Amino acid sequence: EVQLVQSGAEVKKPGESLKISCKGSGYSFTSYWIGWVRQMPGKGLEWMGIIYPGDSDTRYSPSFQGQVTISADKSISTAYLQWSSLKASDTAMYYCARHLGGSGSSFPDYWGQGTLVTVSS
Amino acid sequence: EIVLTQSPGTLSLSPGERATLSCRASQSVSSSYLAWYQQKPGQAPRLLIYGASSRATGIPDRFSGSGSGTDFTLTISRLEPEDFAVYYCQQYGSSPRAFGGGTKVEIK
Repeated sequence: EVQLVQSGAEVKKPGESLKISCKGSGYSFTSYWIGWVRQMPGKGLEWMGIIYPGDSDTRYSPSFQGQVTISADKSISTAYLQWSSLKASDTAMYYCARHLGGSGSSFPDYWGQGTLVTVSS
Repeated sequence: EIVLTQSPGTLSLSPGERATLSCRASQSVSSSYLAWYQQKPGQAPRLLIYGASSRATGIPDRFSGSGSGTDFTLTISRLEPEDFAVYYCQQYGSSPRAFGGGTKVEIK
């Protein structure tokens, strides 16, 4: 059974750094793209980017390029989403999702449970 | 960048009725690389349809997808109580893989 288990909720102050995680199991972690999707409070879904853990090839949405870092540690089947300096506008639910398909045409098929990030002074 | 517009924003229907949700793209979606997701309150999205018309594993056959180019449709043939949720379309043929704004299907 494919499972993606995300790290727990975080409460941070503006300017702080943060790294949240997503551990995959039940499939070959290095053979599928895995990515992140943001959902701001009461809003829709926004695709942030993906990484291929097999070779760390990473693609970002232009809206998130330079704002976050996506990484993966294939030795422990875990993907990460990282901020160096959080803003209040980063307050959102973040979902990781396994992507099915190739680099140019993959879509989320399995989703993690979400990690709520709250940034407030 | 492809922009997806979903309509209507909210659909008020009764159980047993047919739901028709629209997703229109600002440019042609290559190879019908369009997916549909269902999201219930407090839950992660769930994949329903990919490739515009292929049902994901375990999805009931009352859900069907159709369309190509710039116009796509998700149809729920007879609404069950558990189908009342928000539905999103997503194109994945070009980057960024944008989502539509969503359609909420609510109980009338």
